[in-house]
Amino acid sequence: GAVVSQHPSWVICKSGTSVKIECRSLDFQATTMFWYRQFPKQSLMLMATSNEGSKATYEQGVEKDKFLINHASLTLSTLTVTSAHPEDSSFYICSARVRVYTEAFFGQGTRLTVV
Amino acid sequence: AQSVTQPDIHITVSEGASLELRCNYSYGATPYLFWYVQSPGQGLQLLLKYFSGDTLVQGIKGFEAEFKRSQSSFNLRKPSVHWSDAAEYFCAVGVTSGTYKYIFGTGTRLKVLA
Repeated sequence: GAVVSQHPSWVICKSGTSVKIECRSLDFQATTMFWYRQFPKQSLMLMATSNEGSKATYEQGVEKDKFLINHASLTLSTLTVTSAHPEDSSFYICSARVRVYTEAFFGQGTRLTVV
Repeated sequence: AQSVTQPDIHITVSEGASLELRCNYSYGATPYLFWYVQSPGQGLQLLLKYFSGDTLVQGIKGFEAEFKRSQSSFNLRKPSVHWSDAAEYFCAVGVTSGTYKYIFGTGTRLKVLA
């Protein structure tokens, strides 16, 4: 149980284009989903927290218009990187939890390369 | 400020040896604590968690962790390491800061010698 699936696992896109990453909770309903960015050999940087049906809460310094997050249902959240640039290349990871004060379960991550 | 410190960036142990990974947290309220493991190019897998009760918690893959409130620590241990345990280990604390979220340490990379 508690499986989170992230798609795609890797993507290459051209500079200036947009790319969408999906995060699905396969066997539970996720009231909250999180999006992280991880640089090589570094820890996870929380980008935003999204609750189903609500606007995402972005961490300080994260551009809301660049990283669009939608949490349309209890099993799906999407991260869209708009007008991607090479500096957006990174490993993006989502996680999901059932309710507050419980653990979060992670997707397998998406390697984004912008060329 | 809320934070998690993992003092050891790298640890190398021989297969079969015991392991202890250190984690210290800073959080004013009751901490909910977690250990996750990450293999290269993968997401994070939950090893174990502490919410309340017995301060020694058992997890998957033979791992255990002990919560010590007086030391603000939540160290991860394993009696005998296997080569497949080589990975990155992250300690995390759940905090309420506007919303309930998780703060991660910088990670400890474990290398296992055959």
